[in-house]
Amino acid sequence: SQELEQSPQSLIVQEGKNLTINCTSSKTLYGLYWYKQKYGEGLIFLMMLQKGGEEKSHEKITAKLDEKKQQSSLHITASQPSHAGIYLCGADSYGQNFVFGPGTRLSVLP
Amino acid sequence: DTGVSQDPRHKITKRGQNVTFRCDPISEHNRLYWYRQTLGQGPEFLTYFQNEAQLEKSRLLSDRFSAERPKGSFSTLEIQRTEQGDSAMYLCASRRTLNTEAFFGQGTRLTVV
Repeated sequence: SQELEQSPQSLIVQEGKNLTINCTSSKTLYGLYWYKQKYGEGLIFLMMLQKGGEEKSHEKITAKLDEKKQQSSLHITASQPSHAGIYLCGADSYGQNFVFGPGTRLSVLP
Repeated sequence: DTGVSQDPRHKITKRGQNVTFRCDPISEHNRLYWYRQTLGQGPEFLTYFQNEAQLEKSRLLSDRFSAERPKGSFSTLEIQRTEQGDSAMYLCASRRTLNTEAFFGQGTRLTVV
């Protein structure tokens, strides 16, 4: 079955710093999705990547999918306290489940 | 779209009682997913519907769990004879087709005492 790993597990950065979160799959990804979750709430969709080498940006967040489609990175430029939360990568697995990684907990200190 | 809605938002129940949660997906979304999430963990897949057909069920889901999606609209998740280990956030998501983003509800937080 599809397994997704994320690193780091948690991250504390000073406001204004850049940071990167990684998501690695045990199998080729057919679609890779990034979500953000505030504690105790549902998931908010950020971006979807499907093609090898694809890169998408929204405001100060950029996500990339490597050429082999087994690893994705999420990069935040000039982090703000509003970026704090749990970042989750999700993927369509071969059996058409939609599975998630364990999440990366981001804290941004003002 | 009014978004995915889940009811109730919170549920406290005594061990051994049955509970039922409801999820109303975005209209015309064919695919509906249920997840369980515990503190510090990512959402754990429970089951998945395409229209009214339940296509996959996690092996982690014991016989005490059952889900339905009559007429391919709303879905219910029932837990029978609840145990303390069932305490978690239960999330529902819907999507139009494969390879599109899934939209999540706010979740139902279950506490078994």
